[in-house]
Amino acid sequence: GDSVTQMEGPVTLSEEAFLTINCTYTATGYPSLFWYVQYPGEGLQLLLKATKADDKGSNKGFEATYRKETTSFHLEKGSVQVSDSAVYFCALSLKTSYDKVIFGPGTSLSVIP
Amino acid sequence: SAVISQKPSRDICQRGTSLTIQCQVDSQVTMMFWYRQQPGQSLTLIATANQGSEATYESGFVIDKFPISRPNLTFSTLTVSNMSPEDSSIYLCSVRLPDSSGYGYTFGSGTRLTVV
Repeated sequence: GDSVTQMEGPVTLSEEAFLTINCTYTATGYPSLFWYVQYPGEGLQLLLKATKADDKGSNKGFEATYRKETTSFHLEKGSVQVSDSAVYFCALSLKTSYDKVIFGPGTSLSVIP
Repeated sequence: SAVISQKPSRDICQRGTSLTIQCQVDSQVTMMFWYRQQPGQSLTLIATANQGSEATYESGFVIDKFPISRPNLTFSTLTVSNMSPEDSSIYLCSVRLPDSSGYGYTFGSGTRLTVV
């Protein structure tokens, strides 16, 4: 079935380090891909998305490119800040009649000063 | 993007009781989704609610345990029935709306439920 796999966490980085969180997916068809972020004690926010192959989503210094050939959507940021500490979820949705979002397990990121 | 008001934001309930969670959207939407996020886990879809028809439940979720109402295009409720401690989770509603690149999903801030 359709699924999303993310790298295991938790991930701990020093401020200004480079971040990569790997995400791969399995889907029948051509999904839209998303990264959501959940800050401590808060709800879910859309960070970025891409709707077709080779699209690059970007927001707040984060980027991810839709790679159809490797079925991946890795999240990257060149220089993380303490305020980026959160849980990051990779997700996909398919244009089926019910169009639900399928989430990966989440990756917890802690950025230390 | 849409604004979703979800309430209550949190509650502590006795086992065996029921809790109804409300989700109000500031625009009309066809489809609303209810998710569960168990402690330290990812989000799992409970059901999809279309206005004017019965909700569609995912595997492992049943209407008797999680009845859903969808009386109009801006409102839905999810009831967690006959609660047990295993139902302690965050429950979130979500809507799909068109945006500049096709469509996107917006989530409510969630209801943090603790069953004692």
